[in-house]
Amino acid sequence: RKEVEQDPGPFNVPEGATVAFNCTYSNSASQSFFWYRQDCRKEPKLLMSVYSSGNEDGRFTAQLNRASQYISLLIRDSKLSDSATYLCVVNDGDSGYALNFGKGTSLLVTP
Amino acid sequence: DAMVIQNPRYQVTQFGKPVTLSCSQTLNHNVMYWYQQKSSQAPKLLFHYYDKDFNNEADTPDNFQSRRPNTSFCFLDIRSPGLGDAAMYLCATSRDRAWQETQYFGPGTRLLVL
Repeated sequence: RKEVEQDPGPFNVPEGATVAFNCTYSNSASQSFFWYRQDCRKEPKLLMSVYSSGNEDGRFTAQLNRASQYISLLIRDSKLSDSATYLCVVNDGDSGYALNFGKGTSLLVTP
Repeated sequence: DAMVIQNPRYQVTQFGKPVTLSCSQTLNHNVMYWYQQKSSQAPKLLFHYYDKDFNNEADTPDNFQSRRPNTSFCFLDIRSPGLGDAAMYLCATSRDRAWQETQYFGPGTRLLVL
């Protein structure tokens, strides 16, 4: 069973749309959760950490459901520049420090 | 300003010819990681240094080695690259080795094996 699973997409949405990505993780001992953004042929960049209470940063909202081992990312008012791959990342519950990456969800925002 | 720097950005090597990838950081972080990311796959941790302490992942092939001569620099050595080693190699750092620490990634080195 994969540690972190994401719908690979691609998600094709028009500018201004709202889009949601989901992610599930397998290790209930995991304690930290992140969304990274990765542009084509570039390194992953931290988009936001995900906290139990949920958190919002501008157009981006992240939610965590520990009971269901489920993480989500909502992007409102999509911009062309949001086109990228979004990686769900969860720390390894056994080692603590190691990160387990999902394969990513591809988003294409079109004019 | 760049915080995690990787050189070169692109590396071409021949099958079986040793290659070294370089990573440096200006963050003074204790931990440096090396990940391998193949096309359309998630990054996979190869090993990390916690200060001078080297920690290998169980499934990292012996072909991959690493050196950390000082806090700022860390090298990835591939002793005999095979075609299957073609990938993006990502260096990352974190202040400490704890679950709450953020990892910061360098721009990566894309390795091509001919």
